[in-house]
Amino acid sequence: GAVVSQHPSRVICKSGTSVKIECRSLDFQATTMFWYRQFPKQSLMLMATSNEGSKATYEQGVEKDKFLINHASLTLSTLTVTSAHPEDSSFYICSARDRSGGNTEAFFGQGTRLTVV
Amino acid sequence: DQQVKQNSPSLSVQEGRISILNCDYTNSMFDYFLWYKKYPAEGPTFLISISSIKDKNEDGRFTVFLNKSAKHLSLHIVPSQPGDSAVYFCAASDTGANSKLTFGKGITLSVRP
Repeated sequence: GAVVSQHPSRVICKSGTSVKIECRSLDFQATTMFWYRQFPKQSLMLMATSNEGSKATYEQGVEKDKFLINHASLTLSTLTVTSAHPEDSSFYICSARDRSGGNTEAFFGQGTRLTVV
Repeated sequence: DQQVKQNSPSLSVQEGRISILNCDYTNSMFDYFLWYKKYPAEGPTFLISISSIKDKNEDGRFTVFLNKSAKHLSLHIVPSQPGDSAVYFCAASDTGANSKLTFGKGITLSVRP
């Protein structure tokens, strides 16, 4: 099946710094990628939809200036958590849907555990 | 307002028995449904999906049933194995070109040896 790779898998950063998370579709092109956040024992909450070549679409309540999304190519989207605070500590997951051949499944990256100290 | 609901937070079954995980949705625009399995600190893994034009889809030990009139779907795992122990998420979307998935809260399945 399609593969989505996310890096890094875990990162610890100091409060006030910025962290970049990369999401790559390895064997298919993704015009759209999705960024989720998961709190402990909670569902995956969609943060934003990343669109190749255009601005991301953010869900209600998600600060676009804090969570910067760049979708520079058909295989790469990045999420940058700017001026991170301890409350930003969470598990961030990206996904992409492989539309080739009529498939509509979404494949997920391995996730990134962000800890802000 | 939760559009995809998994009302039971957990399920425990004996190895070899059937596991039935339920999911309800409220948005009538949803026409594609997926089940994902997730281990802690990992991304979800796709299990099985079903389009609204079907009422059943089977893949090995996994079968998904869809009841559109009731806006209800279920995942059956038979026979259940200890390795199936994980959190299972139900997700739904419409089939628009770049549709996002809406997830339920997940069900923690424990399969006892």
